[in-house]
Amino acid sequence: EVQLVESGGGLVQPGGSLRLSCEASGFTFSSYWMSWVRQAPGKGLEWVANIKQGGIEKYYVDSVKGRFTISRDNARNSLYLQMNSLRAEDTAVYYCARWGVAWDLVYWGQGTLVTVSS
Amino acid sequence: QSALTQPRSVSGSPGQSVTISCTGTSSDVGGYIYVSWYQQHPGKAPKLLIYEVIKRPSGVPDRFSGSKSGNTASLTISGLQAEDEADYYCFSYAGSYTLVFGGGTKLTVL
Repeated sequence: EVQLVESGGGLVQPGGSLRLSCEASGFTFSSYWMSWVRQAPGKGLEWVANIKQGGIEKYYVDSVKGRFTISRDNARNSLYLQMNSLRAEDTAVYYCARWGVAWDLVYWGQGTLVTVSS
Repeated sequence: QSALTQPRSVSGSPGQSVTISCTGTSSDVGGYIYVSWYQQHPGKAPKLLIYEVIKRPSGVPDRFSGSKSGNTASLTISGLQAEDEADYYCFSYAGSYTLVFGGGTKLTVL
């Protein structure tokens, strides 16, 4: 059974940093693109970042470029999101998700809440 | 990277059909077959319903179907059931390994 379990969310002040983790199980982690998707309270979904299987190729939505870094450790079956210079508008539930075969997100974690507030 | 345009809400009675539209541009919806749809119940993670415009993952009922014409994709739910009441999101590849969601549509089953 595929499982994705996020952790690392919490309350952080504007300008602060936070690192999210996603532990994967039930599939060959190193064989799949992975993503982070976020959802602000009461709002819609927003794609945040992608990372290719080898961890070299990374892509971001414009609003987080230069502030967020997606990474992965295939030996640990883990995905990460390093978030720096956090802003109030980054407040959201952050989901880890695994790609399918055609730019679709087949499996999702339960999400971890990040709150940016003073 | 502008969000795709979806109606904010749609509604229908049990047994009826509803269609949710998703309008983008030739740079996303219109340019690729990589349009997918997700269902999200309150407090839950999204669930994949449709991928590659028309394909259904195993386990998704055939009451859910997808289509595309030009820059607009559509999700049709036939034989509405109470449990279909949820938020629905379209999602499209937008080139250069970037992606974009629609703003979401709230489906109410009357």
